Amino acid sequence: AQTVTQSQPEMSVQEAETVTLSCTYDTSESDYYLFWYKQPPSRQMILVIRQEAYKQQNATENRFSVNFQKAAKSFSLKISDSQLGDAAMYFCASTTSGTYKYIFGTGTRLKVLA
Amino acid sequence: KAGVTQTPRYLIKTRGQQVTLSCSPISGHRSVSWYQQTPGQGLQFLFEYFSETQRNKGNFPGRFSGRQFSNSRSEMNVSTLELGDSALYLCASSLGQSHQPQHFGDGTRLSIL
Repeated sequence: AQTVTQSQPEMSVQEAETVTLSCTYDTSESDYYLFWYKQPPSRQMILVIRQEAYKQQNATENRFSVNFQKAAKSFSLKISDSQLGDAAMYFCASTTSGTYKYIFGTGTRLKVLA
Repeated sequence: KAGVTQTPRYLIKTRGQQVTLSCSPISGHRSVSWYQQTPGQGLQFLFEYFSETQRNKGNFPGRFSGRQFSNSRSEMNVSTLELGDSALYLCASSLGQSHQPQHFGDGTRLSIL
């Protein structure tokens, strides 16, 4: 069975600093996709970044990057130069190609301190 | 381009009643997924529809059902409501391939008294 685990319920970071959110997953499949979604308070969930399992290169989107360790089944999100607007719940998610079933972690609440 | 629209935004029901939630996807999106979000549990996958066909479903009792219409709009129905069904129900649409991102609506907040 596919599982996604986020072991940090809450994290804090000082504005302009860097923070890393952890995520581990488990799957027996070889073709899968990993995602990080952001849910700001009372606002819509939006995609932050995604990673194809077959790609060795870590995905990057501006200040957001991932550290994808396939053998360790780890998929952490690094936020550089943190901004107040980064404060939100962050969810790690995975899906296996062709199943159309998305598994989400329990989320990490990120607080950004001014 | 209009985003994913969920109606109603808020709903209050009592135990034993049934409820129907609606989701209109982004124009051109043929896949609609439904999730139950509760504090501490994150998002639990309910089911996914594509071109009126359910392609997968999560581990929820049969009281939870859904359907999708030819215009890709989707409805979710919960019968015989229980206190534990109180949650934020999120709908997400996409073009339908696994690698493509999901676009979420604002959700329907369901409270059971």
